[in-house]
Amino acid sequence: AQRVTQPEKLLSVFKGAPVELKCNYSYSGSPELFWYVQYSRQRLQLLLRHISRESIKGFTADLNKGETSFHLKKPFAQEEDSAMYYCALSSMNRDDKIIFGKGTRLHILP
Amino acid sequence: DAGVTQSPTHLIKTRGQHVTLRCSPISGHKSVSWYQQVLGQGPQFIFQYYEKEERGRGNFPDRFSARQFPNYSSELNVNALLLGDSALYLCASSRQGPGANVLTFGAGSRLTVL
Repeated sequence: AQRVTQPEKLLSVFKGAPVELKCNYSYSGSPELFWYVQYSRQRLQLLLRHISRESIKGFTADLNKGETSFHLKKPFAQEEDSAMYYCALSSMNRDDKIIFGKGTRLHILP
Repeated sequence: DAGVTQSPTHLIKTRGQHVTLRCSPISGHKSVSWYQQVLGQGPQFIFQYYEKEERGRGNFPDRFSARQFPNYSSELNVNALLLGDSALYLCASSRQGPGANVLTFGAGSRLTVL
């Protein structure tokens, strides 16, 4: 069965410090992984997807199939990074749904 | 484009009542997905529609139903409301077919069941 696990409900990081939001998944086929973000009073929106292999707002995420992980990283946290982050999983099969983890609230301390 | 629009934004119902939530996708998007988000949890998948056909269903009881119209807008219906149905209901649209993966979300409809 598909499952996405985000072990941390809340992560507090000082401004300028590195950030790592953890995401582990369970899926038997070829997964497609995403990070979605929700800033205060804004809609849930796509941050990045693994097949794009791009850096958005300084964030990167590498799919590690051996460890079934897709951790989100940023070398230097900024105050505007404070938000709710959701890891999400789909299959490469175009007919599959997208499922979300429970989310991690990232709080950047001044 | 106004983005994905949902209505109503807030509503209050009592147990046993029925509710209809509406969603209009971004112009050109043919796929609509519905999610339930309970406070403190991530979005839970309810339904996915593409080209007016149901393409996926999450682990929700038959009290939940949906449909997609020729203009690609969608309705989510919930019958015999329970207290536990209180949640934010999110609609998301995407350009390609099911699983095509880049979801654009609406602001949600917040349902309170008393």
